[in-house]
Amino acid sequence: GDSVTQTEGLVTLTEGLPVMLNCTYQTAYSTFLFWYVQHLNEAPKLLLKSSTDNKRTEHQGFHATLHKSSSSFHLQKSSAQLSDSALYYCALSGMATGGNNKLTFGQGTVLSVIP
Amino acid sequence: ETAVFQTPNYHVTQVGNEVSFNCKQTLGHDTMYWYKQDSKKLLKIMFSYNNKQLIVNETVPRRFSPQSSDKAHLNLRIKSVEPEDSAVYLCASRDRGDTLYFGAGTRLSVL
Repeated sequence: GDSVTQTEGLVTLTEGLPVMLNCTYQTAYSTFLFWYVQHLNEAPKLLLKSSTDNKRTEHQGFHATLHKSSSSFHLQKSSAQLSDSALYYCALSGMATGGNNKLTFGQGTVLSVIP
Repeated sequence: ETAVFQTPNYHVTQVGNEVSFNCKQTLGHDTMYWYKQDSKKLLKIMFSYNNKQLIVNETVPRRFSPQSSDKAHLNLRIKSVEPEDSAVYLCASRDRGDTLYFGAGTRLSVL
């Protein structure tokens, strides 16, 4: 079955340093890769989404490039801000029977940005 | 802009009680979900509801049951809560591009 792996449970960074959160996946057939962000006591919300191989996707200063050759979709930002502190989930939608694509989430990575 | 509404925000109850959580989406999506977010922040799918078809995650205990009156509403009932049910329950709807729109969650504490 499909799987999504986020290797870091917690990433602690000093403000201003670059951010990279890892995401790798396994699937026989994927339609989309996603990054969701959840700030404390808020709903998870979509940050980035991509289905195109080797194309950089950007939103709110974050970017990610889907690399199907390495099954990766790492999240990056050039300079961390205190407001980036949150829980980040990588997810994929994969083909399932009945046409209702199956959504699979990674374990989540907490990003903590310190002054 | 909130489009998936969950009530209540918090609920404290005792072991053995019955609880119900409500979820409504105003996005016109056909598919809705309930997820459990545990203490380790893992997101576990519990149910999905699409075009009146209910898909149940086989690992969900029988004391959990979804209830839907129409495609905009998907409620969750827990018949007899147990301590391990303490978690945040997240409702979501899904658009045709597979993007999920989550509610803010209901935090359940079982004493």
